Formats: sequence, structure tokens, C-alpha cells
Amino acid sequence: DADVTQTPRNRITKTGKRIMLECSQTKGHDRMYWYRQDPGLGLRLIYYSFDVKDINKGEISDGYSVSRQAQAKFSLSLESAIPNQTALYFCATSDAGTRHNEQFFGPGTRLTVL
Amino acid sequence: QQQVKQSPQSLIVQKGGISIINCAYENTAFDYFPWYQQFPGKGPALLIAIRPDVSEKKEGRFTISFNKSAKQFSLHIMDSQPGDSATYFCAASGAGGTSYGKLTFGQGTILTVHP
Repeated sequence: DADVTQTPRNRITKTGKRIMLECSQTKGHDRMYWYRQDPGLGLRLIYYSFDVKDINKGEISDGYSVSRQAQAKFSLSLESAIPNQTALYFCATSDAGTRHNEQFFGPGTRLTVL
Repeated sequence: QQQVKQSPQSLIVQKGGISIINCAYENTAFDYFPWYQQFPGKGPALLIAIRPDVSEKKEGRFTISFNKSAKQFSLHIMDSQPGDSATYFCAASGAGGTSYGKLTFGQGTILTVHP
């Protein structure tokens, strides 16, 4: 878990506020992902990036944006937070060199939007 | 649209019993099926994975059974222990097309093993 870090670990914010979640990794992986976890819905992909210049939407990208500042850093932004974005958010990384990408997850950020 | 459906949502097993979690998928392009284990306060971590050229893979007390024709796979935990209490996610990915480089996860199963 220490190879993939997420900040903050917990955040409470208000509706309409802009918030950024940050992810850093020391694994040297090219690929990075943002997921949200909701009870009964599992893990759903928000955005993913296969390298610094590559950004792709996942299945639930509406209301979110991302920035890949460097190979090791991938940030998720909520431009105007709303209560149904209350969830547990995970960043993950994987090695592009493997055919089937084992993903390594950070410890998560618990976000509450009031 | 959920491409990987997982059941049950929760499971309670006595110590020493067998835990069974099932998943079904729709996309025939999937060719890699991992299971992830998540403890409270932690991120998911890879537990065991299978490719469709075999029908079963065993690692210690954990076994994946795979049925390609039915598009189903399951996780069996033998001699379940309280330390196995966690949330389990099945997942699937493909070597090409829209599933390339991505994992599609099931809804998760919360397993509780009573001592």
C-alpha cells in the first residue's frame, strides 16, 4: 500500500465546492486509474491514463476531471461537488509491460459531500 | 450496464466451512479473471486469477472454478478462517477492444467468518 499513496484520506466538503484528490506512486508504473466504491455497486472506473499524455474516460466520468501531472502523479477533481459523489475513492496503478494488468490500489479517500 | 454480476452480496460462514462466491460475465472478449480481496480501511489487493484455458486454479485454500460455456466463474475458500473476513471482488479484463488494459469489477461480496 505504501507504494501508492492518496491524499487526503478523509474529506468532508459542502455541495458546490471544488475538491481535488491526489494520488502518487513509487512503483514506476505507466498506467493509473481512479475508481469509486459504493456499497452494492462494487468498484466503478472514473478515469484512466496509460501514460502522461493519455487520458481516457471510464464508465462514470460525468462530474469528474483528472490531471496526469507526471508519471507518478494522477489527480481527480470534482469541479462542483454534489451529495451523490459521497463515496470511497481509490487510485490504482499497473505495469504496461504485463499482458494482464494486476492493479495495485492505494488506501482510499473517504469523501463526504454535505 | 454491469458486465460482471457477482453474488451473493453478503455471506456468513462458520470457521472451517466452505465459502463460495459466484460471478457471471457477458463480454466474450474477456480473457482474464482475477479476484481481489479488500480488508476494512485498505485498498483491494489481487488474491488469485485465472485464464480461460484452464477450468480450475488452486492456491492454498483458495480455488477459482471457471466455466467458459456458461460464462461463469467462482471463488471457493476451503476451511474458511476468521482472518478471511473481507470484501471480495471478482473482475474481468480483455486483451483487446474496449476492455484492453481495464478491469471490470463485480459488485462485491462481504464475507464474515464466525469463530
